[in-house]
Amino acid sequence: DAGVTQSPTHLIKTRGQQVTLRCSPKSGHDTVSWYQQALGQGPQFIFQYYEEEERQRGNFPDRFSGHQFPNYSSELNVNALLLGDSALYLCASSLCEVAGSSYNEQFFGPGTRLTVL
Amino acid sequence: TQLLEQSPQFLSIQEGENLTVYCNSSSVFSSLQWYRQEPGEGPVLLVTVVTGGEVKKLKRLTFQFGDARKDSSLHITAAQPGDTGLYLCAGVGETSGSRLTFGEGTQLTVNP
Repeated sequence: DAGVTQSPTHLIKTRGQQVTLRCSPKSGHDTVSWYQQALGQGPQFIFQYYEEEERQRGNFPDRFSGHQFPNYSSELNVNALLLGDSALYLCASSLCEVAGSSYNEQFFGPGTRLTVL
Repeated sequence: TQLLEQSPQFLSIQEGENLTVYCNSSSVFSSLQWYRQEPGEGPVLLVTVVTGGEVKKLKRLTFQFGDARKDSSLHITAAQPGDTGLYLCAGVGETSGSRLTFGEGTQLTVNP
């Protein structure tokens, strides 16, 4: 049973460039969430995709956008990169909440380390 | 905005000692999850607590969810060097859908 996979593992970009990160969810999961983790901090929620639509969004600018494909995999795109975008980008997958359930377990991939120079 | 405060931020102890990590908030959470993260890797889910007052045990790790579902603790008995890592608590708010709000983490180092 494959877990969450992400690519690439590492990426180096320069300011102003654009980047695309990819994620494949755990088998059987249909929801993908993206998080940004700066060095020494806890992950911050970027957005979540379900049924190929953005369902929730955190406090991130429009430079951050995403997509979910029919096979549930997802992409995170960041435009006009800033130095402050350097971080570990984590993808987490889960199964859509069962109606009335407060249970939500998210399983994380290994992350993509983005360095902006 | 829901916030989770974790303490302590750093903890360095000797093998065999006991420790407790705290996760506190003024907000109520539907569920709370504890993760452990190694350098350069993603967080690995340890446990999910859902019911106020719930206690779960995972070998030498004991997790407790506060009665009011606003706080949680992680207690490790007889810590071992293999327990070294970043411990993160993350909550699902009652009105925030399924997004996770993370604490800042506790960096634990267990010295042999």
